Amino acid sequence: AQSVAQPEDQVNVAEGNPLTVKCTYSVSGNPYLFWYVQYPNRGLQFLLKYITGDNLVKGSYGFEAEFNKSQTSFHLKKPSALVSDSALYFCAAFREYGGSQGNLIFGKGTKLSVKP
Amino acid sequence: DAGVIQSPRHEVTEMGQEVTLRCKPISGHNSLFWYRQTMMRGLELLIYFNNNVPIDDSGMPEDRFSAKMPNASFSTLKIQPSEPRDSAVYFCASSKTSRSGELFFGEGSRLTVL
Repeated sequence: AQSVAQPEDQVNVAEGNPLTVKCTYSVSGNPYLFWYVQYPNRGLQFLLKYITGDNLVKGSYGFEAEFNKSQTSFHLKKPSALVSDSALYFCAAFREYGGSQGNLIFGKGTKLSVKP
Repeated sequence: DAGVIQSPRHEVTEMGQEVTLRCKPISGHNSLFWYRQTMMRGLELLIYFNNNVPIDDSGMPEDRFSAKMPNASFSTLKIQPSEPRDSAVYFCASSKTSRSGELFFGEGSRLTVL
């Protein structure tokens, strides 16, 4: 079965420090991978995606993610965390049905807390 | 662009009542998704439409749930009769194509069933 795992329910980081939010995946074929962010009482917002090419993908708000095929991982990173980065982060993988149809499989989410 | 519009934002109802949640996707998007979010189960896909046609409804919990998309600019999710365990935030999302993966979410409808 195809799945996305986020092993940490919560990540705590001090402002200015680098942050990493972990994600591993299990999908058939070439993986299309995504990160979304959810602020309190809001819908999810797209951050970045990996389709093919460079293993380091840059996205919104200074975030980047590193695709590692051998480790089946797609960790989200940021060199210097801000308090305003505190939110719920979701990793997702595209699941294809065939006939160009498909949808996203989401991980359970990781709550990022950045303290001043 | 107005984004995905959902209504109502909040709904409180009593067990046994019918609930209808509404969604207007972004114009030009041809895929629409309904998700449910709870603390216990996280984010669950309920149903997915492409060009107004339901493609995957395997996530719909049971016959009490139904969803329609009569045209490209409107979808509804109906629960009849509602139960306390249906309490959750229901999100509608749309995307340009079925393979995009870049979903645009609405603000959600928070449902409380007493």
